[in-house]
Amino acid sequence: KQEVTQIPAALSVPEGENLVLNCSFTDSAIYNLQWFRQDPGKGLTSLLLIQSSQREQTSGRLNASLDKSSGRSTLYIAASQPGDSATYLCAVTSLSGGSYIPTFGRGTSLIVHP
Amino acid sequence: DAGVIQSPRHEVTEMGQEVTLRCKPISGHDYLFWYRQTMMRGLELLIYFNNNVPIDDSGMPEDRFSAKMPNASFSTLKIQPSEPRDSAVYFCASSLTDVTNGFSNTEAFFGQGTRLTVV
Repeated sequence: KQEVTQIPAALSVPEGENLVLNCSFTDSAIYNLQWFRQDPGKGLTSLLLIQSSQREQTSGRLNASLDKSSGRSTLYIAASQPGDSATYLCAVTSLSGGSYIPTFGRGTSLIVHP
Repeated sequence: DAGVIQSPRHEVTEMGQEVTLRCKPISGHDYLFWYRQTMMRGLELLIYFNNNVPIDDSGMPEDRFSAKMPNASFSTLKIQPSEPRDSAVYFCASSLTDVTNGFSNTEAFFGQGTRLTVV
């Protein structure tokens, strides 16, 4: 059974810092990995999708990397801003019983203070 | 497409009442997932459907929970009778399996969730 762990659980940084969020998974036979953002009381917004054949994806100040063999992904946020404050969730899609199932980590709660 | 649509957004009900949560997936998607999110357990997969057929309901916590997908554009999650410990945010998600060159592009799209409070 796939298990996804995110470290740290919470992070508080001053505005302008570059930061790294970590995601690890136990079964390296994945099909893709998604990073989501969740604002308090809101739904999940997909940030980046990395296919299993890819090493990284970039969108603006966000860069996500994937090392499938070691079961790790990182989300890099450059020049953080207060508007980046949210919970960031990592989801790994694996084949289970013939179906593609996303399994989530517990998330990293990020606060960027001015 | 308007994305995955869930209703209601908020539901407050008394213990023992029946609760029905609704979901409209993105048109053409072949997978539909129901998740529950709590502070204690994070996001848990309850059940998922492939082409309207329930595939795995092992995440459903108790027999009080049931889910249906009568057609490709509609699914319900029902709790009967509801209990205070069912209070959580329930998310519906859909995805399209597009196996290209041996790799699956299964990006999941989530609805805004239904915040359920059972008092």
